[in-house]
Parts: sequence; C-alpha cells; structure tokens
Amino acid sequence: GESVGLHLPTLSVQEGDNSIINCAYSNSASDYFIWYKQESGKGPQFIIDIRSNMDKRQGQRVTVLLNKTVKHLSLQIAATQPGDSAVYFCAEGMIKAAGNKLTFGGGTRVLVKP
Amino acid sequence: DARVTQTPRHKVTEMGQEVTMRCQPILGHNTVFWYRQTMMQGLELLAYFRNRAPLDDSGMPKDRFSAEMPDATLATLKIQPSEPRDSAVYFCASVLGAGVPYNEQFFGPGTRLTVL
Repeated sequence: GESVGLHLPTLSVQEGDNSIINCAYSNSASDYFIWYKQESGKGPQFIIDIRSNMDKRQGQRVTVLLNKTVKHLSLQIAATQPGDSAVYFCAEGMIKAAGNKLTFGGGTRVLVKP
Repeated sequence: DARVTQTPRHKVTEMGQEVTMRCQPILGHNTVFWYRQTMMQGLELLAYFRNRAPLDDSGMPKDRFSAEMPDATLATLKIQPSEPRDSAVYFCASVLGAGVPYNEQFFGPGTRLTVL
C-alpha cells in the first residue's frame, strides 16, 4: 500500500474511548489549520479544518481545538472505532497565501485496540 | 465520485532511469500539488501549480526533478536520472482555488517509487 511505515509517535487507545491527538505548529502567521487522516495504502483524507478566528470546531465525532497563544492544535475523536486506526497529520497555512499552500506536521499514529 | 487519480500506483526502476508519474486532478480544480512522503522527512511539498502555471517549486531538486501541467487534466512529475534516495511515495493533490478563500486539498492514492 501507499503508506511508508513512518516512525511516528503512537497513540494506543481502547475501542470506545476518546482520543486526543496533539500538534504544535510553527508559524504564528498561520490562520488556517487542517487535520488529515491517512489510512494504510491511501492518500491523506480531510477530516476537519479551523480558522484562526475560532478556537473550537466540531464535526461528526471529531472536535478540533486551537490555542493560538501557545501555537497548539488538537484533534479529539469521540468513541474511537477500529476504523479510526490511521496516521493523523495536522497542517497549517495562510488563507491569503498564493496557492493555498499547506505545511504538514510529522504525524501521529493511532492504534485502536478492540 | 470525483477523485484525484495517479498512475502508476507502483514503480520499480533502476538507478539512472527516467521516471514519469502522472496525476489527473479533480475536474474543475485549478491548483495542483506534488508531495513526497518518506520515513525520514514525512510529507514534503515539492511543487504546485495554479491554472497550470508553476507557483512554487522550491521544494524540488531542480537538477533531476521537473514538474509540468501539459493541460488542465494532467500533471506530471519527472525524475531524470533517478537515484535510490528518490524512493518514496509521491502524492498529488488538487484544490478548487478560484473564488474561494480556502479549501481542502484532495489527495490521490500515491505512486510508490522504488529505485534500485
């Protein structure tokens, strides 16, 4: 498959528990943040995004929290399921930057134990 | 459903050979990105295009890599000559950039390149 066996921080979570994945971003000028999920053999897939004028945004079973003071982003997954096992990447960008360029973090591997 | 397609999905070649990877962005998307994913470097941006014009290719080794968009439905990434250190998964992504402040990038399934 098209995943590369990255040596990543790993979060092991029991099925049904909540997961929290953390990300520190680097550019204080970034005003757009996005979480991607990459399953084994696939390309990254959009989960949720947030702009810097917000500190929280909720989706279906996922919540993103943004703390601009400490340049920290987190993704919370409620009632983690086996299908949530994947590598999760945060990315930052600037809305007015040409070309919608994103800078990706290193990723966190989530393993869901049955 | 609309998706980014990439060919080939897997490529094994010998050092020194030319490699061409192809990407078909989602119809109507005007911004196309090429990324490389490796164990050591994670996901790196190589180059990207808007309306077929290169916007930034500073992440790409210029001496051996080249990226083009011959038309709006095809983006290519070429490596000549290839080297073992080019072994990686190469992803293409597209985004509907025109007229919207921002939008998610849609990724293709990737091309796994192995250079022996």
